[in-house]
Amino acid sequence: QLQLQESGPGLVKPSETLSLTCTVSGGSFSTSTSYYWGWIRQPPGKGLEWIGTIYYSGNTYYSPSLKSRVTISVDTSKNHFSLKLTSVTAADTAVYYCAGFWGSYRRIDYWGQGTLVTVSS
Amino acid sequence: QSALTQPASVSGSPGQSITISCTGTSSDVGGYNYVSWYQQHPGKTPKLMIYDVTNRPSGVSDRFSGSKSGNTASLTISGLQAEDEADYYCFSYTSNNLGVFGTGTKVTVL
Repeated sequence: QLQLQESGPGLVKPSETLSLTCTVSGGSFSTSTSYYWGWIRQPPGKGLEWIGTIYYSGNTYYSPSLKSRVTISVDTSKNHFSLKLTSVTAADTAVYYCAGFWGSYRRIDYWGQGTLVTVSS
Repeated sequence: QSALTQPASVSGSPGQSITISCTGTSSDVGGYNYVSWYQQHPGKTPKLMIYDVTNRPSGVSDRFSGSKSGNTASLTISGLQAEDEADYYCFSYTSNNLGVFGTGTKVTVL
């Protein structure tokens, strides 16, 4: 059973880049053909938002509303994947979850515990 | 790609049944049988309740069931219990290999 854990700064200044890492333990995830690995966020008191995913092939898929600012990448040597979100504003303040999506997003099998990122000067 | 539409809130008395709708388009809910539902209690990580429209993971109560008609998927909770009070989100595969969540529904047990 894989376990996911997010890490990164809890406070980011406006206009800067938000960077988070999701470390996967309990097995190697990067070569799995069954899963997409990605990110979901939830602003305080609001709903869930799908940010994007990366497949083992390296193909990435991003929410159209965030596509111009998002990059998801994988570091297989460290068994982790990462999120970068540029030019952040207060609207990007949220709990960020890393997640494992089975099949064509048929279900989300794995969730990190979530990490709150606040955008403020 | 807009969020799927869910009612903001649904309520019911213990023992009753409630249904939460999730409306999308032919590019997401209506086009694929890849709708899943998640339960989220305050401060907790979402929990998978239904996948592939109607399938229930092991360990999830059979009081939870899913269905779909056209562009609208539904989650029904039968025999409502106090522990079912939570937020519920639908999620769907969309064309071009993207994903989209519903707006979320707060379930209140009266």
